[in-house]
Amino acid sequence: AQSVTQPDIHITVSEGASLELRCNYSYGATPYLFWYVQSPGQGLQLLLKYFSGDTLVQGIKGFEAEFKRSQSSFNLRKPSVHWSDAAEYFCAVGANTGNQFYFGTGTSLTVIP
Amino acid sequence: DVKVTQSSRYLVKRTGEKVFLECVQDMDHENMFWYRQDPGLGLRLIYFSYDVKMKEKGDIPEGYSVSREKKERFSLILESASTNQTSMYLCASSVTTATNEKLFFGSGTQLSVL
Repeated sequence: AQSVTQPDIHITVSEGASLELRCNYSYGATPYLFWYVQSPGQGLQLLLKYFSGDTLVQGIKGFEAEFKRSQSSFNLRKPSVHWSDAAEYFCAVGANTGNQFYFGTGTSLTVIP
Repeated sequence: DVKVTQSSRYLVKRTGEKVFLECVQDMDHENMFWYRQDPGLGLRLIYFSYDVKMKEKGDIPEGYSVSREKKERFSLILESASTNQTSMYLCASSVTTATNEKLFFGSGTQLSVL
C-alpha cells in the first residue's frame, strides 16, 4: 500500500541554521514525489517535485530535496532558514495518472530568532 | 496563475444541517479533489473526480457526497453534518500530463459543526 511517513511532527530551528525535514515513502512503482508548504491560514503551495532524472531537485524559496531510492526517502533541505519559513511542510507521493496523491502527516517548523 | 477558489473561508453549521462546500478552478483541469486536514493526521482524501459527472471515493468518504456537473466546479456535500466533521477542508485540482503532475490548492474552508 502507498504511504508517506514524516517522522518529525515538530521541529524548531534558529534563524540562519540549516534545516532537514525527513520523508520516507512506500510506493509500488516509480514514485512522483512532492514537497508542499502551508503557511498559517493558507492552502498548500508546491515547493518542489521529483519525477525522474537528477535525484537532487531544486525548488522555490531556496529549498532542495534529494531522492534516495535505496532508502525510500525524499528529504527536504535548506542551508539557511529564514523566519518566514515557519510553516507546515507536507511530503507527498503521486501516481502518474495525476489523480492519486498520498500525503504525510506534516512537519511543523518553528523558527526562533 | 491557476486559481482554485473555495467559496467560504469560515463556516459554522449546526448538527444535522446539510452543508455545501463549493470549489471552482479556472484552468480547465480534469482532476479535482476534496481533502480534509486535521492536526496530526495530515491530509486525507475524501473524494476525487477525473471528469464531469465522474467521482471516486477516497480514503474517508463516509458522511460525504460530491457533485461535478461542470468541469470547473466540484462541490462537497455533508448530508447531515456531525461534530466529527469539524475540520479544515481543502479543494485541489490537477492536470494529467507527463510533465505537469501537481496539485493546485484552494485556501481552505474551516468548518465548525456545533
